[in-house]
Amino acid sequence: SQQGEEDPQALSIQEGENATMNCSYKTSINNLQWYRQNSGRGLVHLILIRSNEREKHSGRLRVTLDTSKKSSSLLITASRAADTASYFCAPAYSGGSNYKLTFGKGTLLTVNP
Amino acid sequence: DAGVIQSPRHEVTEMGQEVTLRCKPISGHNSLFWYRQTMMRGLELLIYFNNNVPIDDSGMPEDRFSAKMPNASFSTLKIQPSEPRDSAVYFCASTSSDRMGSPLHFGNGTRLTVT
Repeated sequence: SQQGEEDPQALSIQEGENATMNCSYKTSINNLQWYRQNSGRGLVHLILIRSNEREKHSGRLRVTLDTSKKSSSLLITASRAADTASYFCAPAYSGGSNYKLTFGKGTLLTVNP
Repeated sequence: DAGVIQSPRHEVTEMGQEVTLRCKPISGHNSLFWYRQTMMRGLELLIYFNNNVPIDDSGMPEDRFSAKMPNASFSTLKIQPSEPRDSAVYFCASTSSDRMGSPLHFGNGTRLTVT
């Protein structure tokens, strides 16, 4: 399977705390993307990290990538109740004109006020 | 930019009936994906198109499922005949495959219930 596997499956924290979610994948990638899904909605792209990058920041988001371990992590700092959502990683493998993303089951993050 | 538009938003049908889900991708995007999401199986890629041509349909569960993309601005996913186990949320997403790493833009899905 080419999909990423998110860990943990569920995470519950208090507002203001940091949340860390992990992703593992199986083969070499071109890039890895993180998405967020609010209940009843489609996925929304958060951040992309390329295979030659080790860390990337976007606002309160920090993503790391370790290609030797085939793993990535998403850190949300100073969490807010509005961050409550499911988070998915999507390793991007590509060859030629094929470009497809597959997703795991995600991490359900609950931020309690 | 109106985003990816899916219709209907909800569909309730009886077993054996034909169901057609519709998707309008973002203008200028040349890749389109159909996903299915359930609690048990998560988000599954059913099929994707590049420049209106089906590239990989290995995720289509059975011959009862078919997808078409007659032009760059419209795609359909058809289930005939439908079964209760087809109940799920079906998402359409589009992107530009010409730019490596271009993110997917998802519609808000069609919630299908087959009774």
